[in-house]
Parts: sequence; structure tokens; C-alpha cells
Amino acid sequence: DIQMTQSPSSLSASIGDRVTVTCRASQGITYSLAWYQQKPGRAPKLLVYDATRLESGVPSRFSGSGSGTDYTLTISSLQPEDFATYYCQQYYSTPVYTFGQGTKLEIK
Amino acid sequence: QVQLVQSGAEVKKPGSSVKVSCKTSGGTFSSNGITWVRQAPGQEFEWMGGIIPMFDTINYAQKFQGRVTITADKSTSTAYLEVSSLRSEDTAVYYCARVNEDYYFDNWGQGTLVTVSS
Repeated sequence: DIQMTQSPSSLSASIGDRVTVTCRASQGITYSLAWYQQKPGRAPKLLVYDATRLESGVPSRFSGSGSGTDYTLTISSLQPEDFATYYCQQYYSTPVYTFGQGTKLEIK
Repeated sequence: QVQLVQSGAEVKKPGSSVKVSCKTSGGTFSSNGITWVRQAPGQEFEWMGGIIPMFDTINYAQKFQGRVTITADKSTSTAYLEVSSLRSEDTAVYYCARVNEDYYFDNWGQGTLVTVSS
């Protein structure tokens, strides 16, 4: 199976900060990567798909980039509602899927 | 819009089975895949398997082969996940999600907490 290594596992930041989360695949996944946001007690919410495409309704402060094995989720200016846990997921090896371990974003 | 509504929380004894349902609305149930993912307390997501109802195609993660059964009822647009021989390590929130045509998960159910305890 393709392994997804996400970093950092946790991150403290302030309102207005620019934040970056990275995800590395154990092999090339040719942009078949999604990012999800999860708040406590809630289901995950799709933010980005195909590595760079923003899901409809997601604020433009979120963006995705990367290629090959290395991908990044960036939040350009943190808002209070952005404090949550973020997960990457590869779907290159569909119908087998794997997730990163998650990055918990906390208020500094 | 697409909605996935799951059945309620369950408490089960070790060795028993549980069946969780996921009723979909607002989309094309048969042609989209439905997948199942679980999340143990404080842990990451673990993909379990999925089904494409139109083709009756089912795939399971190797870890769950033989202990998990995924089915779908096209007449009610409902997918099911059954886990047998439950053990304490199966305590988790179980989510269903719709698999988009491009294979990412674009809509999720609200989750079903399954607690396995004697």
C-alpha cells in the first residue's frame, strides 16, 4: 500500500498567520491527493482535490500545491474557524485508499 | 444536495457483529461508489472497503478481508457495513462517504460510534 507521511503532527499558530502542512507519499501519486478538515465530533470536510483544486464553497485562503510524492496545504491567513485537524488522502491506488496521520492546528 | 445519513450508535459485546447503514439522497447512488472508513478514538482514518452498486463491485482492505461485509440496496439507496467477531480494538466511529467520479470522497455521513465492551 502507498504510505502517506504527514507533517507536522501538530502546529500552534495565531490568527492571521500563514500555515503550511505537508504530505509525502511513498511513491508518486500524480496529483491524486485530497485534503480534508475535521473538527471535533464532526465528519471530515473536503477542502482540496486533485492536489490543487478547491472544492466549491471552500474559502480562497486555502490552497493546495505539489507534484510527484510531495504535496502541501496552505492557509494564507488563519481564521478562528480554521482551528481543526487536517488530513491528506491519496486516491492514486483506487480502490485502495490511504490517509496521512493528521495535523492538529491549535491556537497559539 | 447529496446527503448521507447513517444509523445510530451501537454498543456490542466482544465476539458479536454490528451492521451500520448509510442512506444516501440527492445523488446517483448506483453509479457512485460508497466507501467505509473508521476512526478509533484519537487516531487517524483507516479505509475499510467500498462498493459500486451499479456494478456490484466490492473491494476490501486486506486487513478486514473475511471479517467485514459491504452490501448495498439500490431500491433504497442504502449501503451497509457489517463487522463480525468484534473486539475492543474495533471501538471507533465508522463513516460512509461517497466516492466521486474522480475517486476522492466528496460527501460524508455523520459517523456512527460503535463501542465494543463486555
